[in-house]
Order: sequence, then C-alpha cells, then structure tokens
Amino acid sequence: NAGVTQTPKFQVLKTGQSMTLQCAQDMNHNSMYWYRQDPGMGLRLIYYSASEGTTDKGEVPNGYNVSRLNKREFSLRLESAAPSQTSVYFCASSPEGYSNQPQHFGDGTRLSIL
Amino acid sequence: GENVEQHPSTLSVQEGDSAVIKCTYSDSASNYFPWYKQELGKGPQLIIDIRSNVGEKKDQRIAVTLNKTAKHFSLHITETQPEDSAVYFCAASSGSQGNLIFGKGTKLSVKP
Repeated sequence: NAGVTQTPKFQVLKTGQSMTLQCAQDMNHNSMYWYRQDPGMGLRLIYYSASEGTTDKGEVPNGYNVSRLNKREFSLRLESAAPSQTSVYFCASSPEGYSNQPQHFGDGTRLSIL
Repeated sequence: GENVEQHPSTLSVQEGDSAVIKCTYSDSASNYFPWYKQELGKGPQLIIDIRSNVGEKKDQRIAVTLNKTAKHFSLHITETQPEDSAVYFCAASSGSQGNLIFGKGTKLSVKP
C-alpha cells in the first residue's frame, strides 16, 4: 500500500516562480490536509479539505491556493514563491473530516526558494 | 484557539532507560490526542493515540496518559532502543477548528 504519495520530493525555485505540489492517497479517505514544517515550529496547517469539493483555510494560508481535484488528489499551489515559503511540506489524509481521527502523512516535499 | 506546549525540546537517554515527553493543551473541548514519530527525511508516523474518555493506553513499550483536569498528556517509552531515536510530536484536536494542533516536537536520542 502506497498510503499518501507526494511529488516532487525536492524542488528549488527562484523568487516569483510558481509551482504546484501534488498529493494523492489510496486509502479512500474523505479528508486531506496540507502542512508546512519549519525548524522549531512543528507542523502548521495551511489548508484542508474535509470532503471532495470543499476546502478551508488553516493557520497559515497566505500565499497558497489548493485544489481538491477528486477524492484521491489534493494539490497545493504557490503562485509567486517567496523565500519565506522555503519549508518542508507535508500532505495528510484521514477517513473523515473530524478532528478526532488519525491523520496519515506522506514523506514530504522539500522546497527551497532562492 | 487551541495551543499545545511540548517539553522537553531535546531528550537524551541511555539504551534501556525510560523516556517521558509531556504536553499541555489549552482547549478543554479537545478530545483526541495523537503522538507521532518522525524519522529523518520521513513524514510523521502515528505511534499511539488516546481519546478523552480514557486515562491511559498502552501498546507494548509505549504508553500515553491523559489528565483532563490538568489538561496535560504524556508519552512514556520504556526499555528504550537506539531505533527509538527520532523527533516525537504530540497533537490535540481543536474543537472549534476541527483539526489537529501540533506541539513543536521533542528530539529523542537513545545512546547505546
């Protein structure tokens, strides 16, 4: 079982460039999430999708957009990358959109913006 | 909103000793408390979780305790092994937001 798959694993961008991070899950989960992880900051929620067709802002949504393409896929887009967006990005999924359910994480995309 | 504090930020133990990581939360409506282990270059992996209707849960060498009155919960690892070395994160459900709020992590080093 692949679980949650993120692509690409690494990426370097120049300031102002755009990019889409891809995430797919094969667990038939309804809910999906995007987090960023910075040193000493833990994991912070960017956007989430409680179910197909819905998306909501998390703690740090500025500078990002998301698309829930179908039940399996949830993408994160940086329209105009900034150095402050250098981070490790994690996608996660859970069976339902309730906070009392375990979330399963992918292995992350390491993004550097010069 | 929910706030989760995690201590210590780093912890070094000898192989075979026990390790304890503590977290406090602020939202009394939180009802779900998972713990994640993150190895270098990998995503967080769920290792154990507890719900607010339970005070303690064990899974082999790992246990979690919850004190709802004091709003704190702890991870206990007994008979530590070098492969337990990783960063551990606690989290709490955010009743108002419907999501998880994570602590800042504890880097555990187990010395052989």
